Amino acid sequence: EVQLVESGGGVVRPGGSLRLSCAASGFTFDKYGLHWVRQVPGKGLEWVSFVSGDGSETYYGDAVKGRFTISRDNGKNSLYLQMISLRSEDTAFYFCAKDHYHDSSGYPYLDSWGQGTLVTVSS
Amino acid sequence: SYDLSQPPSVSVSPGQTASITCSGDKLGQKFACWYQQKPGQSPVLVIYQDSKRPSGIPERFSGSNSGNTATLTISGTQPMDEADYYCQAWDSTTTKVVFGGGTKLSVL
Repeated sequence: EVQLVESGGGVVRPGGSLRLSCAASGFTFDKYGLHWVRQVPGKGLEWVSFVSGDGSETYYGDAVKGRFTISRDNGKNSLYLQMISLRSEDTAFYFCAKDHYHDSSGYPYLDSWGQGTLVTVSS
Repeated sequence: SYDLSQPPSVSVSPGQTASITCSGDKLGQKFACWYQQKPGQSPVLVIYQDSKRPSGIPERFSGSNSGNTATLTISGTQPMDEADYYCQAWDSTTTKVVFGGGTKLSVL
C-alpha cells in the first residue's frame, strides 16, 4: 500500500522560510515522479511542483517559481519542498502526491496522495 | 497559461446520472483525469487518461474527452458520491500540471 506522510508545516512569518518533507513507502521510490499540490482551506487545488524519479526534471507553478525548490533523496525515500520568501498567500494545506510514471513524458497524473500538512504564513 | 474551467456546482437526485464538464482549449488533444475530494479528506483519483478507472473505483464512474471538453459521468449517483470533483491535465507546452477550479456535486 502506498503511503505518503507529510511533515514540517507550521506557522511562519511573512518573508520567512520553511522546509516540508514527505516520507514515502509501499512503492519503488526512485521509479516514480512526485508532486506537491496545495489547497487553501475551502478553495481549490493548486499544483506547486513536480520532480522526476531520478531528480533530473523539476517543474514549478508560476506562483512559486523562484521561491520554492523541490528535491528528493532516493536513499531515504523522501521528498522535500524548500520554501523561502513566504507570503500570506502561500497559506494552505500542502499535499505530497505520487505520479503514475517516472517523468513528464507519461502525461502526469497523481495516483496517490498524502494527508497534507498545513502551512500558515502570518505575522 | 493553460486554463481548465468547471461549473462551480452540479446537483443530481439519487439514482440519476450526474455529468460534470471540464473545458479547455483543445483539451481533447491532451489526457484528462478526475479527482474526488470529500470534506476533510485528500483527493482520490477516479478517472485517468480520459476514461480509465483505477482499481477500487466503482463502475458508475466514467469519463470522456473530445474537442474542448472532458466529461465525468456518474451513473446511478449515490449519496456517498457527494463531493468536490477536480479535472486535471498536463500542459506539455508550459510543462505544468493544471487543475480545474472544482465542481461541488450535491446529491439531493
